[in-house]
Amino acid sequence: AQKITQTQPGMFVQEKEAVTLDCTYDTSDQSYGLFWYKQPSSGEMIFLIYQGSYDEQNATEGRYSLNFQKARKSANLVISASQLGDSAMYFCAAPTGRRALTFGSGTRLQVQP
Amino acid sequence: EAQVTQNPRYLITVTGKKLTVTCSQNMNHEYMSWYRQDPGLGLRQIYYSMNVEVTDKGDVPEGYKVSRKEKRNFPLILESPSPNQTSLYFCASSSRGGPQHFGDGTRLSIL
Repeated sequence: AQKITQTQPGMFVQEKEAVTLDCTYDTSDQSYGLFWYKQPSSGEMIFLIYQGSYDEQNATEGRYSLNFQKARKSANLVISASQLGDSAMYFCAAPTGRRALTFGSGTRLQVQP
Repeated sequence: EAQVTQNPRYLITVTGKKLTVTCSQNMNHEYMSWYRQDPGLGLRQIYYSMNVEVTDKGDVPEGYKVSRKEKRNFPLILESPSPNQTSLYFCASSSRGGPQHFGDGTRLSIL
């Protein structure tokens, strides 16, 4: 079974700066994937980025990138050039059986002007 | 535009009055799931479906029913809602190996 740990309940960042949100995982699977989702205060769950365990390159989607360290079992999300609209909860997640996702407890990011 | 559409977005109702939350996706995804999100408990899977007419229980199926008569639709049915089913509900869909795409959520309050 997957276990996802996000150790930062809350983070602050100044607008235009970069921020790293931590995620560690625990799995015995050889092949797996890791997802990051954003949940603004309005409640929707928005898919941001995906990293496969066999991907050789770190995933990148616009201002989002993953710092994937397989040996450390970490998949940290890096947001570059933070914007006020980035203020939200961020969840790291991994698939389990039954096409379910196991989510971490989340990190609340607040971007300050 | 690729999307998962849930309705309603908000609903306040009373104990025992049957309700249905609809979910529709336009991405031709095989897999669909329902989750509920509660403070301190995170997101938990209620039911999932691997294709038309194929559904199975998730972690917290008690008090819920689902059906998958068409590939695009996966409604969640509460036959006799109770206050402990007050929650934020998400429908999600995915292709095999792809990320799950979530609807905008349904805030359900049962008095």
